[in-house]
Amino acid sequence: EVQLVESGGGLVQPGRSLRLSCAASGFIFDDYAMHWVRQRPGKGLEWVSAISWNSDSLGYADSVRGRFTISRDNAKNSLYLQMNSLREEDTALYYCAKDISGDGGCDFWGQGTLVTVSS
Amino acid sequence: DIRMTQSPSTLSASVGDTVTITCRASQSVVSWLAWYQQKPGKAPKLLIYKASNLETGVPSRFSGSGSGTEFTLTITGLQPDDFATYYCQHYITYPYTFGQGTKLEIK
Repeated sequence: EVQLVESGGGLVQPGRSLRLSCAASGFIFDDYAMHWVRQRPGKGLEWVSAISWNSDSLGYADSVRGRFTISRDNAKNSLYLQMNSLREEDTALYYCAKDISGDGGCDFWGQGTLVTVSS
Repeated sequence: DIRMTQSPSTLSASVGDTVTITCRASQSVVSWLAWYQQKPGKAPKLLIYKASNLETGVPSRFSGSGSGTEFTLTITGLQPDDFATYYCQHYITYPYTFGQGTKLEIK
């Protein structure tokens, strides 16, 4: 059974940093690209970032480029999102999601970790 | 960046109805489009990938069509479980933007 478990969320002051983690199990992690998607309270889905299976290809939303860094450790079956210079508008539920592999789409999602940026 | 626009934003329908949600891209995404369903407090669920391919386990009353810049998600014979919010997302080039969502409500 595929499982994605996010962690690392919490309350943080504006300008500070936070690192999210996603522990993956139930599939061959290093065969798949992975994504971070967020959802602000009461709002729609916003794609944040993606990383290819071998970390060669990285993508970011305009709203986070230069502040957030996606990475993965295939030996640990883990995905990360380093979030620096956090802003109040980064307050959201952050989902980790598995790419369907070549066909476009994320077929498995975690339950999300909540990040609240507030002074 | 490619902008994805869904219509309508809200849709009221009854059990048994057939409904269609449209997603338009600001430039061609070929067939690199996915549709998701999301219920309150839950993670999104993949319904359709590559514009028209039904994800495993998704009921056949869901179907997707289109290519280029215009796509549709059709639900034929609405069931009570289908009332949710639906999102499209392109996958042709970063950033992989979502549409703003369509909330399907019970009439």
